Amino acid sequence: GDSVTQMEGPVTLSEEAFLTINCTYTATGYPSLFWYVQYPGEGLQLLLKATKADDKGSNKGFEATYRKETTSFHLEKGSVQVSDSAVYFCALINQAGTALIFGKGTTLSVSS
Amino acid sequence: EAQVTQNPRYLITVTGKKLTVTCSQNMNHEYMSWYRQDPGLGLRQIYYSMNVEVTDKGDVPEGYKVSRKEKRNFPLILESPSPNQTSLYFCASSFSPSGTFYEQYFGPGTRLTVT
Repeated sequence: GDSVTQMEGPVTLSEEAFLTINCTYTATGYPSLFWYVQYPGEGLQLLLKATKADDKGSNKGFEATYRKETTSFHLEKGSVQVSDSAVYFCALINQAGTALIFGKGTTLSVSS
Repeated sequence: EAQVTQNPRYLITVTGKKLTVTCSQNMNHEYMSWYRQDPGLGLRQIYYSMNVEVTDKGDVPEGYKVSRKEKRNFPLILESPSPNQTSLYFCASSFSPSGTFYEQYFGPGTRLTVT
């Protein structure tokens, strides 16, 4: 079945450092891919998405490119801020279109 | 304000005592869903609903029930809670999950502890 694998955390960075969180997927066809962010004590928010191969999703300085050759959707940001500290989830929509399939989440902690 | 609300936000209960977690959305969404979040497992779908009176099982439905009598509400029912249902629960909604993706909006979560 469909699955998402993302790098284990926690990831600890200093402010202004470069961020990469790796995400790979297994799925039938080419599903839409997403990154969600969960700030402490809150629900999940959609951070960015890509609906087809080679699409680049971007938002709030974060970017991710849909790579079908490597079945990957890595999240990057050039300069992280303390306010980016959160849990990040990579996800895809299942083939039936009835559920998001999530990775296990990566905790990011940014210190000043 | 467009939102998904859940109640209660926190609940501690004992094994076997029936409980209901409510979920309500004010965006006229057709699709609603329940997920549970557990450490090291990410989020897993419990049940979903494509519209009023239409519900179906997700990946981990055992021990849960749902109903969708009104478009805006999608309560999660635990008729006989057990300790392995201790988790963080999220309700989500969207216009439609299939075809062109419509963003799923998540509620703030309900932290349930079953002793």
